[in-house]
Amino acid sequence: DVKVTQSSRYLVKRTGEKVFLECVQDMDHENMFWYRQDPGLGLRLIYFSYDVKMKEKGDIPEGYSVSREKKERFSLILESASTNQTSMYLCASRPGQIYNSPLHFGNGTRLTVT
Amino acid sequence: AQTVTQSQPEMSVQEAETVTLSCTYDTSESDYYLFWYKQPPSRQMILVIRQEAYKQQNATENRFSVNFQKAAKSFSLKISDSQLGDAAMYFCAYRSAAMEYGNKLVFGAGTILRVKS
Repeated sequence: DVKVTQSSRYLVKRTGEKVFLECVQDMDHENMFWYRQDPGLGLRLIYFSYDVKMKEKGDIPEGYSVSREKKERFSLILESASTNQTSMYLCASRPGQIYNSPLHFGNGTRLTVT
Repeated sequence: AQTVTQSQPEMSVQEAETVTLSCTYDTSESDYYLFWYKQPPSRQMILVIRQEAYKQQNATENRFSVNFQKAAKSFSLKISDSQLGDAAMYFCAYRSAAMEYGNKLVFGAGTILRVKS
């Protein structure tokens, strides 16, 4: 089974802090994604990466950046956390060449910014 | 841009009964994929079922089946013989088959399913 691991299940940070959310997958997937989940809005794509050092903006990239230095790891960075970034963050991965393949998700990180 | 709409924020079903969750989507494309994901309280998103748009036959996975109406852009999920373990948030999702959009999965807002014993 594919395993996607997010480093923290719950995180509490202060406004203005730099926040790192880490995600690691163990199936050599080319594609990795960061989504944020909010009630009534479903999941919205923040950033995705289709290869090492490659990244693409999703629908809501403002206030976020990402890093993919190794194939298995995809980090989401909040340069200066704000209260409107309080949310559930979900990481996912999938193989690059199989277009009907589903996403495999981590367990999510619930981030609270105070 | 593609959009996915789930018009039912919450649904309830009696154990052993059947329930249908609705999903509609908007796209100008002819080739795409549709998915239903389940998110239980553990927060782990689990794939329930998928459908390729070029296939006319509706997908089925044990107690889960879909009613895919391509012309109507509708993709509903039917859960038969509902079990307590089916209680979760269900998300409908769309992905284009086009190369330039092929990585992006668009989700609906979700439907909370409650199962009564």
